[in-house]
Amino acid sequence: GAVVSQHPSWVICKSGTSVKIECRSLDFQATTMFWYRQFPKQSLMLMATSNEGSKATYEQGVEKDKFLINHASLTLSTLTVTSAHPEDSSFYICSASLLGTGRMGNQPQHFGDGTRLSIL
Amino acid sequence: KQEVTQIPAALSVPEGENLVLNCSFTDSAIYNLQWFRQDPGKGLTSLLLIQSSQREQTSGRLNASLDKSSGRSTLYIAASQPGDSATYLCAVMDSSYKLIFGSGTRLLVRP
Repeated sequence: GAVVSQHPSWVICKSGTSVKIECRSLDFQATTMFWYRQFPKQSLMLMATSNEGSKATYEQGVEKDKFLINHASLTLSTLTVTSAHPEDSSFYICSASLLGTGRMGNQPQHFGDGTRLSIL
Repeated sequence: KQEVTQIPAALSVPEGENLVLNCSFTDSAIYNLQWFRQDPGKGLTSLLLIQSSQREQTSGRLNASLDKSSGRSTLYIAASQPGDSATYLCAVMDSSYKLIFGSGTRLLVRP
């Protein structure tokens, strides 16, 4: 159980293109999903916290107009990289926590397999 | 600001060895600590989660300990196998439910 699916797994596109990445919790509901970015040989850095039915909370230094997050249902959050440029090339990973089974602090986060974004 | 450090950054051992990976964090106000495994180009697999009130967790050949007061955790891998080769990440959940990651330990188990 607790499977998180991320799609697509790999994207290569031209500079200026907008790219949408989907994160789905397949067998559980999640009011909160998280989006991370990972540069080569570096650790994961939290970009934003996605809350179902409300606006996402962005970490300091992350442009909310650049990285649009929509969490329209309890099983789906999307991250759209708008007008992507080569410096946006990275590995993007989402995670989700189980809903309603206790405090979030007691729950593990379940991660998707990530999306490798390459902007030419 | 919470900071998580992992030592060593890389480790190479022969198959069969027992090994210890270290993780330290600067702020003891955490909900839990998780150890993850990441294979190249892949997402994260959760290995062990230790609640702040717990001292250790075990799963198969893996044992993780937590000393919250000193800000330290260790991941012990017994009888290592080539299939254990991966990057191991330590992360703490801070008071705002955010996961703060260390930079990882890249493990290579040689046949």
